[in-house]
Amino acid sequence: ETGVTQTPRHLVMGMTNKKSLKCEQHLGHNAMYWYKQSAKKPLELMFVYNFKEQTENNSVPSRFSPECPNSSHLFLHLHTLQPEDSALYLCASSQLGTEDTEAFFGQGTRLTVV
Amino acid sequence: SQKIEQNSEALNIQEGKTATLTCNYTNYSPAYLQWYRQDPGRGPVFLLLIRENEKEKRKERLKVTFDTTLKQSLFHITASQPADSATYLCALDEMKTSYDKVIFGPGTSLSVIP
Repeated sequence: ETGVTQTPRHLVMGMTNKKSLKCEQHLGHNAMYWYKQSAKKPLELMFVYNFKEQTENNSVPSRFSPECPNSSHLFLHLHTLQPEDSALYLCASSQLGTEDTEAFFGQGTRLTVV
Repeated sequence: SQKIEQNSEALNIQEGKTATLTCNYTNYSPAYLQWYRQDPGRGPVFLLLIRENEKEKRKERLKVTFDTTLKQSLFHITASQPADSATYLCALDEMKTSYDKVIFGPGTSLSVIP
């Protein structure tokens, strides 16, 4: 285990549904991230939260809505998604401002939009 | 903006040989470069970090080099084993004014044949 937990591991949703992905980190890190990984594509950074403040929104469509209520929890709220949004969604955390900058990833949520 | 390139073709090598993976970046030299391993359907796992003032870093059977003149990092796995089969991702920092943003390359798939 990496210390970053994502739920659910798998999610199938219709295009009219609303669902949320959850991420929790037990590492005391000050930054959390959402990445999207589609088949045969590189990891795409979606959102960055630094000390609970959103510092990056990488031109993500508004049907994806992040929420960071505290430095340990991160959510990704989903609504009216498209089939092309089907992908592996990965959460990560890191400690910024130190020499140990590596990212710790969760196991990911495999999302299928039907 | 920074672009990261890795061997696009899958790498197949015989067990016991040394695997060498390449990571090239196109723009400014990052303060550090990281290598991660990713197994199918799982999040990446951090392996090694090398800083811009370091030429080489080792950890057990892994060795990473960093050449800022060539804008290239090489990742070596010596005495490779079938269990080393995975996708290996190169990542580097894109420093912003107040936080780090780590961007990932597309990854190279490695298969070690018994």
